[in-house]
Amino acid sequence: NAGVTQTPKFRILKIGQSMTLQCAQDMNHNYMYWYRQDPGMGLKLIYYSVGAGITDKGEVPNGYNVSRSTTEDFPLRLELAAPSQTSVYFCASSGGGRLSNEQYFGPGTRLTVT
Amino acid sequence: DQQVKQNSPSLSVQEGRISILNCDYTNSMFDYFLWYKKYPAEGPTFLISISSIKDKNEDGRFTVFLNKSAKHLSLHIVPSQPGDSAVYFCAASVSDYKLSFGAGTTVTVRA
Repeated sequence: NAGVTQTPKFRILKIGQSMTLQCAQDMNHNYMYWYRQDPGMGLKLIYYSVGAGITDKGEVPNGYNVSRSTTEDFPLRLELAAPSQTSVYFCASSGGGRLSNEQYFGPGTRLTVT
Repeated sequence: DQQVKQNSPSLSVQEGRISILNCDYTNSMFDYFLWYKKYPAEGPTFLISISSIKDKNEDGRFTVFLNKSAKHLSLHIVPSQPGDSAVYFCAASVSDYKLSFGAGTTVTVRA
């Protein structure tokens, strides 16, 4: 049981490039989330999904896109990378009902845009 | 607009003593509160939670206290151990699964 996995661990992008951050979970969780954490700040919700085929915007969705074609996978797409997207990105998942608040996090992807 | 605030960026405590971490919130609709712990180069891990219908929840060395009238919660760690050195995040939600996080408090436990 690997929990939540994220790839890559690190990435350096040039301004204007695009990339996809991968996230997978093997806990059969319906709920999945993408957060970013900037230095000295808390985690901010980018996008979330309550099940396959359903996604919605969080607090800071601009510049990102997501898809959820399966229960296991929730990739985050960055189009036209900008320096403001330099951050650490965390994917998380949770079960439904009363357990939906207790989220399990992946190890993070550290992204630098130069 | 930060709805969850952790005003102490860091805390240093001697091994064996109590660590007290504080968290304030502004949204009176929050009804579920959580603490997460994070080690460097890892994702946050769930530590303990409390519903707004309670004022205390205990799990081993960890106790969370909620004061709804003051919009304040605290995490007590007794006794503090070296492995408790980490960043602790306070989080809150409004009857759903979307969490608002504080900026975190870095705890250092001294031998």
